[in-house]
Amino acid sequence: NAGVMQNPRHLVRRRGQEARLRCSPMKGHSHVYWYRQLPEEGLKFMVYLQKENIIDESGMPKERFSAEFPKEGPSILRIQQVVRGDSAAYFCASSLGQPNTGELFFGEGSRLTVL
Amino acid sequence: GQQLNQSPQSMFIQEGEDVSMNCTSSSIFNTWLWYKQEPGEGPVLLIALYKAGELTSNGRLTAQFGITRKDSFLNISASIPSDVGIYFCAGIIQGAQKLVFGQGTRLTINP
Repeated sequence: NAGVMQNPRHLVRRRGQEARLRCSPMKGHSHVYWYRQLPEEGLKFMVYLQKENIIDESGMPKERFSAEFPKEGPSILRIQQVVRGDSAAYFCASSLGQPNTGELFFGEGSRLTVL
Repeated sequence: GQQLNQSPQSMFIQEGEDVSMNCTSSSIFNTWLWYKQEPGEGPVLLIALYKAGELTSNGRLTAQFGITRKDSFLNISASIPSDVGIYFCAGIIQGAQKLVFGQGTRLTINP
């Protein structure tokens, strides 16, 4: 499968725990994006990263949330001290070039449930 | 904020009917994309548009990039049961580097 790979597909955490979501972009893609989707809503932009750089994190909550895309390995979205409001589907997308030059391809998402 | 207004929010149609949905904004867009999302899945790209006035087809789907660069529409002709899902418009605002999404149009088809 050469598509965007996300894991885990489902994650259950208790309030106060940490959640780590992983994303491997499509082969050859060096641009990664994270989006959050609440039930019955559209996708909300969180962060745009290139290898080892955060390009735009304007959609990321200022506290508890962080993202990285290291030189080697997948991109990680980390949520510390989760609260019930963090329950959502988190989607990763990747693109070959900058977003205005091509299409973004999405993974199947990671669904976080906070108890 | 950077708002995309997508309408209608939902559609209930008979199999075989044509479908039309659109997105509008007060901002100027460089790129319009249309995605389809099915339950439990990620959005799948249907059509990408890059030029004002551009009209592009993908099978029974046709989309256009509005002349004003502030809107786009998607048409589905002769709908079939597998067209059921949520359709999202998405766009990249001039000068920006991020893709913003509309609220989605939920399509339900009665056989």
